[in-house]
Amino acid sequence: DQQVKQNSPSLSVQEGRISILNCDYTNSMFDYFLWYKKYPAEGPTFLISISSIKDKNEDGRFTVFLNKSAKHLSLHIVPSQPGDSAVYFCAAITLRGGGADGLTFGKGTHLIIQP
Amino acid sequence: DAGITQSPRHKVTETGTPVTLRCHQTENHRYMYWYRQDPGHGLRLIHYSYGVKDTDKGEVSDGYSVSRSKTEDFLLTLESATSSQTSVYFCAISGPTPNEKLFFGSGTQLSVL
Repeated sequence: DQQVKQNSPSLSVQEGRISILNCDYTNSMFDYFLWYKKYPAEGPTFLISISSIKDKNEDGRFTVFLNKSAKHLSLHIVPSQPGDSAVYFCAAITLRGGGADGLTFGKGTHLIIQP
Repeated sequence: DAGITQSPRHKVTETGTPVTLRCHQTENHRYMYWYRQDPGHGLRLIHYSYGVKDTDKGEVSDGYSVSRSKTEDFLLTLESATSSQTSVYFCAISGPTPNEKLFFGSGTQLSVL
């Protein structure tokens, strides 16, 4: 059973507009949620994270919102730039019990920024 | 960037042959992970290690084994490769505590014919 779900395989947004990527989860024990960005032929790179006790975290053009009651988080990119075209993975981790078993990832959303 | 090197970067092999992928880190991190990435599946955990000679299974461990004899090296072995193991394999590290941030290597593209 998939614990982290990204239901949109792809998203196309015009340059300069807002990109909103969505993620749902089922495990209420997750302590942190993260977004990773991946370019072709490269490994995923960390983008932004949010603790389960927060509802918003902002870093420059990137903001992550967490709605615990809905078990939903979203990544907002404003304004969108051509270099933002990549696959974005939503991920989560439970640190209780050690947390050594790493991140659980969604299937990814391919963001395409149109000029 | 975290010092993670995966080798080889690309490999083509035949069904039934053994294959070993290597992950080498220079960060002295305690935790190391092997993930595979497949279209429609995202990243799935194969095995992980929480110290030298301490390893455990992940979500998709069947057909894979791992070894960690030194802090810096984490080996992933396919004892008898199958076509379903054609994938991109990523190594990741975190530490010194199980941190929410994982740092990934550049990946190994494995094709099993």
